[in-house]
Amino acid sequence: ETGVTQSPTHLIKTRGQQVTLRCSSQSGHNTVSWYQQALGQGPQFIFQYYREEENGRGNFPPRFSGLQFPNYSSELNVNALELDDSALYLCASSLPSGTNTGELFFGEGSRLTVL
Amino acid sequence: QKEVEQDPGPLSVPEGAIVSLNCTYSNSAFQYFMWYRQYSRKGPELLMYTYSSGNKEDGRFTAQVDKSSKYISLFIRDSQPSDSATYLCAMGGFNAGGTSYGKLTFGQGTILTVHP
Repeated sequence: ETGVTQSPTHLIKTRGQQVTLRCSSQSGHNTVSWYQQALGQGPQFIFQYYREEENGRGNFPPRFSGLQFPNYSSELNVNALELDDSALYLCASSLPSGTNTGELFFGEGSRLTVL
Repeated sequence: QKEVEQDPGPLSVPEGAIVSLNCTYSNSAFQYFMWYRQYSRKGPELLMYTYSSGNKEDGRFTAQVDKSSKYISLFIRDSQPSDSATYLCAMGGFNAGGTSYGKLTFGQGTILTVHP
């Protein structure tokens, strides 16, 4: 069984640029969530995608947006990058609706540095 | 006030010690409780999951939930150097249909170091 994979693992951007992060969910999982983890902090919920639609959003501005594709993979896009966007971005997938116990399976993250 | 507060540590203990990690929460809507372990430069991995008050044991790990006090704990017995990691408590709720919201609220994490 293939786990959650994320790309790229590391990247450096400058303030004002845009970034796209990618995630392939675990086999059989149709729900994908994105979290931001700043240094020394716990992950914070950005949003969740189910059946290609946003299904819940945390306290993040609209410049954080996402997509989910028919194969359940997902993208996180961040526009107009700010220094405070520097963080580890975690993708997590979960079991199909109806069997979802709330357990999330995380990838290893994409570490974004904004200069 | 944060919804979930976790004793930040860091904790440094000798091998073989019993470790206690704790979180408090304020949101009564939380119905399930988890502990994740995160090694350096890795994603979190699930250690324990419970949705009822009381104790749940899995090997050297025991998760304890007290919903009346809004308090959860993780105990690690006979701690090993390989247990050195950041431990994150996490909580979530179910909607009316019995499906989880999918959003977990995490504590800030406790860095644990077990030295030989």
